[in-house]
Amino acid sequence: DQQVKQNSPSLSVQEGRISILNCDYTNSMFDYFLWYKKYPAEGPTFLISISSIKDKNEDGRFTVFLNKSAKHLSLHIVPSQPGDSAVYFCAASATNTGNQFYFGTGTSLTVIP
Amino acid sequence: KAGVTQTPRYLIKTRGQQVTLSCSPISGHRSVSWYQQTPGQGLQFLFEYFSETQRNKGNFPGRFSGRQFSNSRSEMNVSTLELGDSALYLCASSSGGAGELFFGEGSRLTVL
Repeated sequence: DQQVKQNSPSLSVQEGRISILNCDYTNSMFDYFLWYKKYPAEGPTFLISISSIKDKNEDGRFTVFLNKSAKHLSLHIVPSQPGDSAVYFCAASATNTGNQFYFGTGTSLTVIP
Repeated sequence: KAGVTQTPRYLIKTRGQQVTLSCSPISGHRSVSWYQQTPGQGLQFLFEYFSETQRNKGNFPGRFSGRQFSNSRSEMNVSTLELGDSALYLCASSSGGAGELFFGEGSRLTVL
């Protein structure tokens, strides 16, 4: 049972444009969300997080939006750069479950120069 | 500071064998989590150790086990290997509370 879903396996965007990666979850107990970026042959690298008390969090070119009623979050990358080409995973956890995160299956982003 | 270190990076085993993977967390981190990544399945949570105690366990059979030592280093063991155990096994450390996970580069296991 996939509690965190990333329905777009891949996404291509022109350099300089906005990349929007989407993530849906089913468990209403999830209250903390992370986005990770992964290059081939490397471990995932943390990008940005958001807790359920917020609906937006920004860090430089990266912004995460959380819509709790829709159980949906999205990662916006503006402007997109070729170095952003990687697989992006969203992950969710619930309070009092420590570091037990549920990950989506990932979206492969390609930024075209 | 040094990141999360996993050994070995690559290994090949045959069905029925067992394997032990090692993870050294970032200095000062007391939580170590293990994840399995297979194509199309994303990262699946195996278990988490905190201060030498298993704090959480995912939905994996008992063939998958782990432990954590007093220096926070962790090992995971898979016994009676099956073809389906072929995967990238990722270790992640954190300071303890729910928060950002720092991942190692993973151990890629191939079962023949």
